[in-house]
Amino acid sequence: EIVLTQSPGTLSLSPGERATLSCRASQSVSSTYFAWYQQRPGQAPRLLIYGASNRATGIPARFSGSGSGTDFTLTISRLEPEDFAVYYCQQCSGSPYTFGQGTKLEIK
Amino acid sequence: QVQLVQSGNEVKKPGASVKVSCKASGYNFITLGLSWVRQAPGQGPEWMGWISPNNGHTRSAQKFQDRVTMTTDTSTRTAYMELRSLRSDDTGVYYCARDLSQWLVGLPDYWGQGTLVTVSS
Repeated sequence: EIVLTQSPGTLSLSPGERATLSCRASQSVSSTYFAWYQQRPGQAPRLLIYGASNRATGIPARFSGSGSGTDFTLTISRLEPEDFAVYYCQQCSGSPYTFGQGTKLEIK
Repeated sequence: QVQLVQSGNEVKKPGASVKVSCKASGYNFITLGLSWVRQAPGQGPEWMGWISPNNGHTRSAQKFQDRVTMTTDTSTRTAYMELRSLRSDDTGVYYCARDLSQWLVGLPDYWGQGTLVTVSS
């Protein structure tokens, strides 16, 4: 099983700041099968990034993804109030398709 | 627009079974696979399995293999997930979620609203 480890567990920032979230895989993952999701309280996860760097439909340009192999990064260039949520990475390169444990992005 | 509408919340006793439904609309149901993902309270999502509505082929995580059955009814555009021998640690929100594309199996874009399953004696 591919284990995804996200860091930090909690990130405290202010609106307008830049956020950098990391996800490390226990073994190499094809970028094609790597994604990032945002989850707000009481809601289902929302797809942000697929293929490691492609924004999903309707996702603002301030969200960007990068990385390959075992190290992937989600960057939010200028935080908006609605961006404070929990973020998960996911791989579907090898079964079982696993998610990270999440990074909570909170208002400082 | 694409919608996945799930059945209502359930309360079950340990050892019982639960069957969650997921009705799809707004796209060609048979062309894209569906995953079932659960989320325990305060935890990250956990992929349980996947089904192709086109041919009924399934994949499931080994930890659920013996207890989960996934099916679809193409006439009603509905997917079902049954989990048997429920335990207290099966408590959580269960989601169905549609694949982004035919080539990205298990990478969902649209998600249902979630079904809370509570297992308690």
